[in-house]
Amino acid sequence: DSGVTQTPKHLITATGQRVTLRCSPRSGDLSVYWYQQSLDQGLQFLIQYYNGEERAKGNILERFSAQQFPDLHSELNLSSLELGDSALYFCASSLQDSDNEQFFGPGTRLTVL
Amino acid sequence: EDQVTQSPEALRLQEGESSSLNCSYTVSGLRGLFWYRQDPGKGPEFLFTLYSAGEEKEKERLKATLTKKESFLHITAPKPEDSATYLCAVRPYSGGGADGLTFGKGTHLIIQP
Repeated sequence: DSGVTQTPKHLITATGQRVTLRCSPRSGDLSVYWYQQSLDQGLQFLIQYYNGEERAKGNILERFSAQQFPDLHSELNLSSLELGDSALYFCASSLQDSDNEQFFGPGTRLTVL
Repeated sequence: EDQVTQSPEALRLQEGESSSLNCSYTVSGLRGLFWYRQDPGKGPEFLFTLYSAGEEKEKERLKATLTKKESFLHITAPKPEDSATYLCAVRPYSGGGADGLTFGKGTHLIIQP
């Protein structure tokens, strides 16, 4: 158990809908990262927050957004969902945002029908 | 663009049969190379971080090494419980010290009893 928690574990929704994925980092970690894992693309970095502020963006679509709250938990919002958004979404956390290892949560499996 | 290529894509070994997994990378500047283990439907589990060419790290039956262009994950006398997908990732230098990891697509390792 990495200490990172994610809810829900599974999410099934329809095209065009909006969903919110939640992540609680390990105790004491200030940095949160979101990744998407699909069969064809592998694990891809989406976005990073550090102590409430956005620090880096990867391959995140404009339909997706995230935020980190004062208690350091983070939410990833996915809107206007498409079939291709079906994937595993992982949250990871690290102590700082420099060279520390990232520890991954168990993921949320999103299915868009 | 940063790239990580892992080979082979899949590897089937007999219990006790040692082998090596390869991770080739191209980055503008390497801040760290990471190895993770991922079981089906679960989040990646951190194994090692390597920072500079010539560095080696060991954990039980696993040993990771790093050169300027590639990393190897050596597995000695593997057991069936070592079966998993092994992921390699790099963290490049970037302004502000913030960035997500760039992952390879992984090597799916099966150890047969």
